[in-house]
Amino acid sequence: AQKVTQAQTEISVVEKEDVTLDCVYETRDTTYYLFWYKQPPSGELVFLIRRNSFDEQNEISGRYSWNFQKSTSSFNFTITASQVVDSAVYFCALTLYGNNRLAFGKGNQVVVIP
Amino acid sequence: NAGVMQNPRHLVRRRGQEARLRCSPMKGHSHVYWYRQLPEEGLKFMVYLQKENIIDESGMPKERFSAEFPKEGPSILRIQQVVRGDSAAYFCASSDDTEETQYFGPGTRLLVL
Repeated sequence: AQKVTQAQTEISVVEKEDVTLDCVYETRDTTYYLFWYKQPPSGELVFLIRRNSFDEQNEISGRYSWNFQKSTSSFNFTITASQVVDSAVYFCALTLYGNNRLAFGKGNQVVVIP
Repeated sequence: NAGVMQNPRHLVRRRGQEARLRCSPMKGHSHVYWYRQLPEEGLKFMVYLQKENIIDESGMPKERFSAEFPKEGPSILRIQQVVRGDSAAYFCASSDDTEETQYFGPGTRLLVL
C-alpha cells in the first residue's frame, strides 16, 4: 500500500520569506502521480500541482515550485515570497496509475505572519 | 466552467437520523470520488463511482454507509443511523476520463449531536 509522510506539522514564516514543504512517499509501483493540494481556512481543497512518476523535471509556476526526486522518494514544494493568503494546510498526495485512490499525507499547516 | 458542487455545506443531524450528501461533478467529468476528513485521521478515500457503477468501495465503512451515482442527477453519499463518530468533513471530487487529476468540491461538514 502507498503511504505519504509530511513530517512538519506547522510552519510559521514571516511574509515574503520562502517556505519549503517536505513530502516523502512510499510505493512499490513504478507508475504513479504525485499531487499538492491546498486547504485554506475556508475549508475547500484546491488542486495546485501534479507530477507523473516518469517525469522528474522540476518546474516553477508563479510563486510555486517543486522538487521531485525519485531516488529519495521525495516531492517537496516551495512557496517563494510568501503572502498572508498562502496561510493554509498543504497536503501532499499520491495515486497509482489506474488506481484512483488518493493517499494523503497529514498536511502541513503554514502560517504566514504579516 | 462551474467546479464541483456539494450540498449542503453544513448538515446537523441527531444520532439515529439519516444524512444525505450530494455531489455534482464538474461539467464533462464522469468519475466521482468521496473522501472523509476526520480531525485526527486526515483525509481518507471512501468510494469511487462512475455513472451507475461503484468501481471501488474499499474505503467505505461496512455498515450504514452507501453511495450512488445515478444516470441522471448528482452522486449521493448516504449515512444511515448516524453516530457522533460520523461527524466530519466529507469531500467529493471528480475527474475526467483521463482520471489523472481529481478536483474537489467545497465539502459538507456533518455534525452529529
